[in-house]
Amino acid sequence: DVKVTQSSRYLVKRTGEKVFLECVQDMDHENMFWYRQDPGLGLRLIYFSYDVKMKEKGDIPEGYSVSREKKERFSLILESASTNQTSMYLCASSSGHNEQFFGPGTRLTVL
Amino acid sequence: DQQVKQNSPSLSVQEGRISILNCDYTNSMFDYFLWYKKYPAEGPTFLISISSIKDKNEDGRFTVFLNKSAKHLSLHIVPSQPGDSAVYFCAAIGPGGGNKLTFGTGTQLKVEL
Repeated sequence: DVKVTQSSRYLVKRTGEKVFLECVQDMDHENMFWYRQDPGLGLRLIYFSYDVKMKEKGDIPEGYSVSREKKERFSLILESASTNQTSMYLCASSSGHNEQFFGPGTRLTVL
Repeated sequence: DQQVKQNSPSLSVQEGRISILNCDYTNSMFDYFLWYKKYPAEGPTFLISISSIKDKNEDGRFTVFLNKSAKHLSLHIVPSQPGDSAVYFCAAIGPGGGNKLTFGTGTQLKVEL
């Protein structure tokens, strides 16, 4: 059974804190993605990665960075959290030109 | 610029009837389309997909139709069940590597008893 796991389901942080969101997949997928989901806006792509140590900006990369040191792990970093980064964060992985498999999401609240 | 649009934010259907969810796109380079279903506090789960070389794909109660000339796709659920109540996202993939998905804004389906 395929699996994408995210380090936290719920997270509360203060403005200005550095935040790490971790994602791990066990399917040996080469592609990994970070999205945020906000009401009325759907899923918006933040960053993605085709391979280890590779990263590409998505549609809304500002205020975020990523790290992919191992194939199975893709981390999203908020360098200095702000209230407008309060959102549901979703990680996904895929292989080739196929559907993406999503993790359960992390609900991040920045106070 | 919203390349994938779901113009109906919500839809209410009676149990046993047909649910039709619609999606429009603007980029003619998209060559693969997918539907995802999402329950609250969970990640989206893949439902059904269709390649641009086809106009219909069926899987059990779910059928996706693609009209390339109109740049329109729809998801039909027959018969609708209360467990189908969720947010449905359509998504599209263009050419190039990494299968980057472009998502619509979602439609909240409510199936009533």
